[in-house]
Amino acid sequence: EAQVTQNPRYLITVTGKKLTVTCSQNMNHEYMSWYRQDPGLGLRQIYYSMNVEVTDKGDVPEGYKVSRKEKRNFPLILESPSPNQTSLYFCASSFGLRPYEQYFGPGTRLTVT
Amino acid sequence: AQSVTQLDSHVSVSEGTPVLLRCNYSSSYSPSLFWYVQHPNKGLQLLLKYTSAATLVKGINGFEAEFKKSETSFHLTKPSAHMSDAAEYFCAIGTASKLTFGTGTRLQVTL
Repeated sequence: EAQVTQNPRYLITVTGKKLTVTCSQNMNHEYMSWYRQDPGLGLRQIYYSMNVEVTDKGDVPEGYKVSRKEKRNFPLILESPSPNQTSLYFCASSFGLRPYEQYFGPGTRLTVT
Repeated sequence: AQSVTQLDSHVSVSEGTPVLLRCNYSSSYSPSLFWYVQHPNKGLQLLLKYTSAATLVKGINGFEAEFKKSETSFHLTKPSAHMSDAAEYFCAIGTASKLTFGTGTRLQVTL
């Protein structure tokens, strides 16, 4: 089954404790992206990747890191999480180098206390 | 910069009545426009897309949208709402490197 998976689905952590949210897709997609969703703000892009070893900032990259060492994986790293990073996070992927028809993962709900 | 504005944060309709979710866009060139749906506790799913072909676009589950350049609009419609349509709907505009989403419209369907 074609899908984007994220882990963990739910995470409660404390300020400053490094964490990684994994994202993996099995569709051989070139493009991958991370979004955060906050009430009243819709989805905002954090980082995206056009291909292996090619990443770039989205609209809200502060406090986040990403890497793309393999085509299927695109982890999101929070080196020192803060409460304002409490949010619902989505990973997405799409075929080719244009981010159309994105396939979304199920989301990761992160709470930073 | 390209952007979309969803004009209603919340829309309530009765089952069996028409649905209209409004989206206006801003773009300096011919845009690619999308509607995504998010059911509770789920990720987003593509409903339909406009990429400069036919201006009336049909999507899944009976939804359709019409691209109107003169009005810079891309409103989503459905002739008859079903309880299963209750969800949040996002309009989005595509550029070479990303999708930019609107703030969403929550559709409530009542009996």
